[in-house]
Amino acid sequence: DVKVTQSSRYLVKRTGEKVFLECVQDMDHENMFWYRQDPGLGLRLIYFSYDVKMKEKGDIPEGYSVSREKKERFSLILESASTNQTSMYLCASKGGATNDSPLHFGNGTRLTVT
Amino acid sequence: QKEVEQDPGPLSVPEGAIVSLNCTYSNSAFQYFMWYRQYSRKGPELLMYTYSSGNKEDGRFTAQVDKSSKYISLFIRDSQPSDSATYLCAMKQAAGNKLTFGGGTRVLVKP
Repeated sequence: DVKVTQSSRYLVKRTGEKVFLECVQDMDHENMFWYRQDPGLGLRLIYFSYDVKMKEKGDIPEGYSVSREKKERFSLILESASTNQTSMYLCASKGGATNDSPLHFGNGTRLTVT
Repeated sequence: QKEVEQDPGPLSVPEGAIVSLNCTYSNSAFQYFMWYRQYSRKGPELLMYTYSSGNKEDGRFTAQVDKSSKYISLFIRDSQPSDSATYLCAMKQAAGNKLTFGGGTRVLVKP
């Protein structure tokens, strides 16, 4: 069974802090993704990575950066946290080259920025 | 206007009823259509996957895609309290890995 683990379930940070959200997958998947989930807006893609050290912007990359130094780990970085970044953050991984390979999600990190 | 529209609900039904969920979309380039189920405090998990137009059945679940109307549906027969969750539609174009999600519909099946 694929396991995607997000290091923190809940985080509370102050405005202006640098925040790291960590995600690890155990299935040797090439592709990893960071989404944020907000009520009524669904999941919106922040960044994704299709290989080590490779990254591409999603729909809402502003205020975020990512790091993928190892295949199993994909980190989301909030350079200077702001209150509008309070959200649920979901990491996902996807293996295989076929279109029907599913996304496997972690259980999310609920981040509150005060 | 969002690319994918989904009624947020909540949709409350009695146990055993048919649950009917749908999404509309505006991008005619979408070719792959998915439904994810998300339980409270959990990440979404893939429920159904359909390529292009047509129907797909898996146990109590039926997914339908009507590309001419840009409309997709998910039906849950003989609904159970364990089906209570948020259901998210998602779709993607032929190339790439990017999924576009609807906002999700919260479903409550009452015993």
